[in-house]
Amino acid sequence: GIQVEQSPPDLILQEGANSTLRCNFSDSVNNLQWFHQNPWGQLINLFYIPSGTKQNGRLSATTVATERYSLLYISSSQTTDSGVYFCAVEETSGSRLTFGEGTQLTVNP
Amino acid sequence: GAVVSQHPSRVICKSGTSVKIECRSLDFQATTMFWYRQFPKQSLMLMATSNEGSKATYEQGVEKDKFLINHASLTLSTLTVTSAHPEDSSFYICSALQGVGTGELFFGEGSRLTVL
Repeated sequence: GIQVEQSPPDLILQEGANSTLRCNFSDSVNNLQWFHQNPWGQLINLFYIPSGTKQNGRLSATTVATERYSLLYISSSQTTDSGVYFCAVEETSGSRLTFGEGTQLTVNP
Repeated sequence: GAVVSQHPSRVICKSGTSVKIECRSLDFQATTMFWYRQFPKQSLMLMATSNEGSKATYEQGVEKDKFLINHASLTLSTLTVTSAHPEDSSFYICSALQGVGTGELFFGEGSRLTVL
């Protein structure tokens, strides 16, 4: 099956800093989604981004499908941004999502 | 975004009992739903794909007789953990596909199962 690698595995920031999270995948995909898992376990949809660039407030994402990677940018980070960020891809063979291992982000005040 | 509701959010049961978890898409119809399992500090692992009106497709290594999945309507899928044992304790999360065949996935709040 498809392999999804996220980096870095852990990231500690001071409030106000910017960061870039990366997601590499091993094969062609139909779709790619970024999620934020909050401390209670809820997965919050951030971006549905099979290709191109999208922005939502302080967050933006870029997927370069031909080079098999996606980037999530967080600007002016806040303590509420803390949590685990997951990248998940949908293989071309079906609608199931395969998740990466996640990036644990901690934003300190 | 679309809303998926999962119930119960937390359940504690004795070993040997069965537990049912419900997953509902509240504002859209979902032909396909997925059930994931997550252990502490790990990623989500797909357990099975549930299609409305047909049998679920289980991932390799997932016991279909242990984890019964029913997708009886376009807005409801259920996961029943039968004869639960302590090793079944985990965080179970459902998701619903907004679209047919492909589309954006939305997740429920998750259900934390503890088997004593």
